[in-house]
Amino acid sequence: GAGVSQTPSNKVTEKGKYVELRCDPISGHTALYWYRQSLGQGPEFLIYFQGTGAADDSGLPNDRFFAVRPEGSVSTLKIQRTERGDSAVYLCASSSAVAPNTGELFFGEGSRLTVL
Amino acid sequence: DQQVKQNSPSLSVQEGRISILNCDYTNSMFDYFLWYKKYPAEGPTFLISISSIKDKNEDGRFTVFLNKSAKHLSLHIVPSQPGDSAVYFCAASGGTRWYGGSQGNLIFGKGTKLSVKP
Repeated sequence: GAGVSQTPSNKVTEKGKYVELRCDPISGHTALYWYRQSLGQGPEFLIYFQGTGAADDSGLPNDRFFAVRPEGSVSTLKIQRTERGDSAVYLCASSSAVAPNTGELFFGEGSRLTVL
Repeated sequence: DQQVKQNSPSLSVQEGRISILNCDYTNSMFDYFLWYKKYPAEGPTFLISISSIKDKNEDGRFTVFLNKSAKHLSLHIVPSQPGDSAVYFCAASGGTRWYGGSQGNLIFGKGTKLSVKP
């Protein structure tokens, strides 16, 4: 597709369950990012991939959160033993290596996670 | 502690007038600043950016001003249109000083909700 695609758009789960959120970046974009936006806040950085490897995972809040990008394209954010505080919109973004350092990211519409 | 601050949660202006959105930052290592616009149920979209070596960047109705000594930037929209009504996020990046070739993460403010009244 033309833009960043995220699935599911909405996910409701129960406390303690496991959740996977998927991101399909813009074709050809080597950099992929996950952000989390809680109500009333700006997007908060979680993890950044350059190709298949995580270049920076310093934003992951704890070891319940994990992300992979095995073939350098699609990425999956995995959350184990979900807690109510994990409820947020999870945003994925990608950027082209052609324009590094400018910070211009292309965001998807997000996956809204609600933990009951 | 917030490194990028947008102290006005909301702003209301009349169509045709100027909208001025403000942003302050604390980290002097930031060398690139961006504004993103977000409509409800959509992801943020890039609007305009400025490098720390400049003090002004203009793109159509949108102009961003950077005052490095004050660690302050502002976004001016003139004339404002009802379609500009959205949440505007200020963001900062450390660019090559952080990752030596490809920017890493952006630090976002909490956003300012702009309402442009017809």
